[in-house]
Amino acid sequence: AQSVTQPDIHITVSEGASLELRCNYSYGATPYLFWYVQSPGQGLQLLLKYFSGDTLVQGIKGFEAEFKRSQSSFNLRKPSVHWSDAAEYFCAAVNYGGSQGNLIFGKGTKLSVKP
Amino acid sequence: DADVTQTPRNRITKTGKRIMLECSQTKGHDRMYWYRQDPGLGLRLIYYSFDVKDINKGEISDGYSVSRQAQAKFSLSLESAIPNQTALYFCATSDLAGGPSDTQYFGPGTRLTVL
Repeated sequence: AQSVTQPDIHITVSEGASLELRCNYSYGATPYLFWYVQSPGQGLQLLLKYFSGDTLVQGIKGFEAEFKRSQSSFNLRKPSVHWSDAAEYFCAAVNYGGSQGNLIFGKGTKLSVKP
Repeated sequence: DADVTQTPRNRITKTGKRIMLECSQTKGHDRMYWYRQDPGLGLRLIYYSFDVKDINKGEISDGYSVSRQAQAKFSLSLESAIPNQTALYFCATSDLAGGPSDTQYFGPGTRLTVL
């Protein structure tokens, strides 16, 4: 079955440091991939998405992600983290299985930012 | 005004009670979804609807039912609530015309507690 894995449950970084959140997917062909962010008490907001073309995708709030087919990965990066980036981050992929066109989510990575 | 609204935002109820969660959207989208979020499990799809006459079960539909009253409204019901349905519930919408790569837009969530 198709799956999305986020290996890190919780990451803490210092403000101003760089950030990389990992995401791995399982699917034979090129999937459609997304990163969402959930701030405390809020719904999910789309950061960026990939479905074809350039493997380096730029998103909002200074985030980017790189699709690497050889590693089945779609890692999220930011060069300099701000305190307001503290949130939970979800990677998702379009489900080509039973629920056609719907999203399968990873379990999320919670980001804490130290001053 | 928010594009996707959910009511109520918080609800505490007792085991065995019938509960309805409501979702409205002003985005004009055809597709609507209901997810539940549990700590450490990410988001899981309960039901989805491609239009008013098309409703489909998701990954975890047991114990839930839905109604698509209009293009803009999609309600989730718990006929007889049980404590393990305590969770954060999200409604989302997307534009069918956009295809699988289209963005899902999320409401702010309803926090449901079943005692």
